[in-house]
Amino acid sequence: EDKVVQSPLSLVVHEGDTVTLNCSYEVTNFRSLLWYKQEKKAPTFLFMLTSSGIEKKSGRLSSILDKKELFSILNITATQTGDSAVYLCGGFGNEKLTFGTGTRLTIIP
Amino acid sequence: GAVVSQHPSRVICKSGTSVKIECRSLDFQATTMFWYRQFPKQSLMLMATSNEGSKATYEQGVEKDKFLINHASLTLSTLTVTSAHPEDSSFYICSADQGSTDTQYFGPGTRLTVL
Repeated sequence: EDKVVQSPLSLVVHEGDTVTLNCSYEVTNFRSLLWYKQEKKAPTFLFMLTSSGIEKKSGRLSSILDKKELFSILNITATQTGDSAVYLCGGFGNEKLTFGTGTRLTIIP
Repeated sequence: GAVVSQHPSRVICKSGTSVKIECRSLDFQATTMFWYRQFPKQSLMLMATSNEGSKATYEQGVEKDKFLINHASLTLSTLTVTSAHPEDSSFYICSADQGSTDTQYFGPGTRLTVL
């Protein structure tokens, strides 16, 4: 059975700090790993990772995938209060998308 | 942990037919369930919010008469794609809100292909 585990479950930091969110996966016929930011309802797409070792960046956010160790990290530098959200990691493989339970990130002003 | 299932996982149908997709919360009661459609480049689009015992709330641009949602019980919501067309081919995902934890749990998705 496919499984995606995120850690930590919850994280509270001060504005300006850098955070690293972790995602490990066991996905049959793995195709890609997806990161989303969820604030109210619909998750916002952040990254899709398919290749190992290649960092993807978008502003203060970056992510990398390790297909040998089956994990990915999402980094957020110089955090802002608007970064407060639940960050979801999903593993896509074999026509099935499995999400982790998310990391709830809270940024204190 | 909380588990959400979807049935079927994959369906292929002819144009003009209707397809029903089920979303079940297996070990918890979900007062609210959400239906998403996954577009190219992996973005998820919220289609509607389904509350048990009441009418679903559809997002702007989603046809209510085409995508019928029924949340008959605290553990089951169904999405029926009526008179399906090839452009409805997509990956449909549901999630269930456990309420007390303010956490959404996602189903594994249903791949719909309309020929």
